[in-house]
Amino acid sequence: EAQVTQNPRYLITVTGKKLTVTCSQNMNHEYMSWYRQDPGLGLRQIYYSMNVEVTDKGDVPEGYKVSRKEKRNFPLILESPSPNQTSLYFCASSTQPGQGAGELFFGEGSRLTVL
Amino acid sequence: GQNIDQPTEMTATEGAIVQINCTYQTSGFNGLFWYQQHAGEAPTFLSYNVLDGLEEKGRFSSFLSRSKGYSYLLLKELQMKDSASYLCAVSDSNYQLIWGAGTKLIIKP
Repeated sequence: EAQVTQNPRYLITVTGKKLTVTCSQNMNHEYMSWYRQDPGLGLRQIYYSMNVEVTDKGDVPEGYKVSRKEKRNFPLILESPSPNQTSLYFCASSTQPGQGAGELFFGEGSRLTVL
Repeated sequence: GQNIDQPTEMTATEGAIVQINCTYQTSGFNGLFWYQQHAGEAPTFLSYNVLDGLEEKGRFSSFLSRSKGYSYLLLKELQMKDSASYLCAVSDSNYQLIWGAGTKLIIKP
């Protein structure tokens, strides 16, 4: 089954404790992206990757890191989480982002709470 | 700046028709997407418009007017399961998606 898998789905952590949210896709997509979703603000892009070893900042990259060492994996790293990073996070992948065949496939989401 | 506007919330009755509008101002245009998102779930793709006109897909249709910077999603024969948020997103000149905040659609029996 074609899917994007994120882990963990739910996490409560404390300020400053490094954490990683993993994302893996099995559709051989070149493009992957991380979003955060907060009430009233919609989806905001954190980082994206057009291909292996290529990553770029989105609209809200501060406090986050990513890596793309393999095509299928795109982990999101919070080196020192803060309460303002409490949010719902989505990983997504696509063949041709922003184009006709470029619909995004989203993971199920990771709800993160930073105390 | 780039901006996508859509109503925050709409209410409609089961079996009726509802139109969700989206207006946009972006740097370039390479298409407009509609996604559906049920509460607590991931967004799922509904439609893509790049040329002016109406695209019909079952009970859902999407319309685009590039000259007006305007799109709408039309949902017919509403069902309770259509209760969800509907997200409008525009692909800009760099093929980056600019997202609206979403419209929460409430269906009443």
